[in-house]
Amino acid sequence: GQQLNQSPQSMFIQEGEDVSMNCTSSSIFNTWLWYKQDPGEGPVLLIALYKAGELTSNGRLTAQFGITRKDSFLNISASIPSDVGIYFCAGSYSGNTPLVFGKGTRLSVIA
Amino acid sequence: DSGVTQTPKHLITATGQRVTLRCSPRSGDLSVYWYQQSLDQGLQFLIQYYNGEERAKGNILERFSAQQFPDLHSELNLSSLELGDSALYFCASSWGVSSGANVLTFGAGSRLTVL
Repeated sequence: GQQLNQSPQSMFIQEGEDVSMNCTSSSIFNTWLWYKQDPGEGPVLLIALYKAGELTSNGRLTAQFGITRKDSFLNISASIPSDVGIYFCAGSYSGNTPLVFGKGTRLSVIA
Repeated sequence: DSGVTQTPKHLITATGQRVTLRCSPRSGDLSVYWYQQSLDQGLQFLIQYYNGEERAKGNILERFSAQQFPDLHSELNLSSLELGDSALYFCASSWGVSSGANVLTFGAGSRLTVL
């Protein structure tokens, strides 16, 4: 099935550093979502984007819906140990098509 | 607690066996989705039900089946299990019929190990 290209696959960063990850698709999407999965838990929604060019923040997290509608970016500023986890992007073309997920970016924060 | 309840949390079984995973959606949600997460894989969409009816089908094997009951809980049946079926199985729910237009709330998952 269709899948999003999410990068990087993994990141090791120092506490306090900023983080950037992105997701690209060969198709146009009308919805982009970013989820975080903690070990042993299900994914939890971080940010939802519904309009091309939209920039939305949730605390130290900022996500953008690319203007081409084929990509999205997630930035985390001043990382802390609890940011550790797997970050997934997800997108949908229309309300009638299932949500497609990327393979995730595994983030490790070194104190 | 997301409000989506999945049981069992862990399940260990042998090849060739059959198991049933259960999901209770968040109160008020009518749609239930099943996803499979294998090692190093993202979340693979399996199937969606809305108010008791199948709405969308993804990469679900013929050995797998699901249903949504009148009380809106859902069950995913996995039969003739193979080693490769070992994975985390997530259930998610949303209010509306379209996953693209509605945010999904995930349960904590059921970890299946096939030996």
